[in-house]
Amino acid sequence: AQSVAQPEDQVNVAEGNPLTVKCTYSVSGNPYLFWYVQYPNRGLQFLLKYITGDNLVKGSYGFEAEFNKSQTSFHLKKPSALVSDSALYFCAVRDGNAGNMLTFGGGTRLMVKP
Amino acid sequence: EAGVAQSPRYKIIEKRQSVAFWCNPISGHATLYWYQQILGQGPKLLIQFQNNGVVDDSQLPKDRFSAERLKGVDSTLKIQPAKLEDSAVYLCASSLGTHQETQYFGPGTRLLVL
Repeated sequence: AQSVAQPEDQVNVAEGNPLTVKCTYSVSGNPYLFWYVQYPNRGLQFLLKYITGDNLVKGSYGFEAEFNKSQTSFHLKKPSALVSDSALYFCAVRDGNAGNMLTFGGGTRLMVKP
Repeated sequence: EAGVAQSPRYKIIEKRQSVAFWCNPISGHATLYWYQQILGQGPKLLIQFQNNGVVDDSQLPKDRFSAERLKGVDSTLKIQPAKLEDSAVYLCASSLGTHQETQYFGPGTRLLVL
């Protein structure tokens, strides 16, 4: 079975400071990892994904994530947070070796204060 | 490029009533997904279609939920009869294929069962 853990329900950061939203995963095979963002009353918007290759993945709106196989982590990062980054962030994983199901974490609410 | 369309955006019904949601995926996307997102949780896959065939419906409560994608484009998700615990946001997503492809989400339908 595959699973995703987002250990923080909420992350607070001041505008202009770097931010990190944590994600760890568990799959039997090769992990395909995704980050999505959800604004109020909106669907999920794709930010970035890791399939293979470079462990540092760059995505939309200045976000990036680092795949760490030994720590089974895929933390989302941004060097300088904006107030407009405040939203709900979801990490998701798919087992690249078996099945097509995408499993989501419980989400982390990011609050960026001016 | 138009995104995934869903309707209605909001629906309020009483328990034991029936309800249907509609989804139109991104043009050319062969794979369509229905997710249930309960408040405070990540989305959970209900059913996945590849063209007009079901790929995975293992988490669909088949005693009350049904879905179809007859012509391989639009899809309808139905709940009959609804229960209080069905109150959630129902998200539709689509992707070009399955394996490594990114899923793109619609705005969702917010269902409240009273």
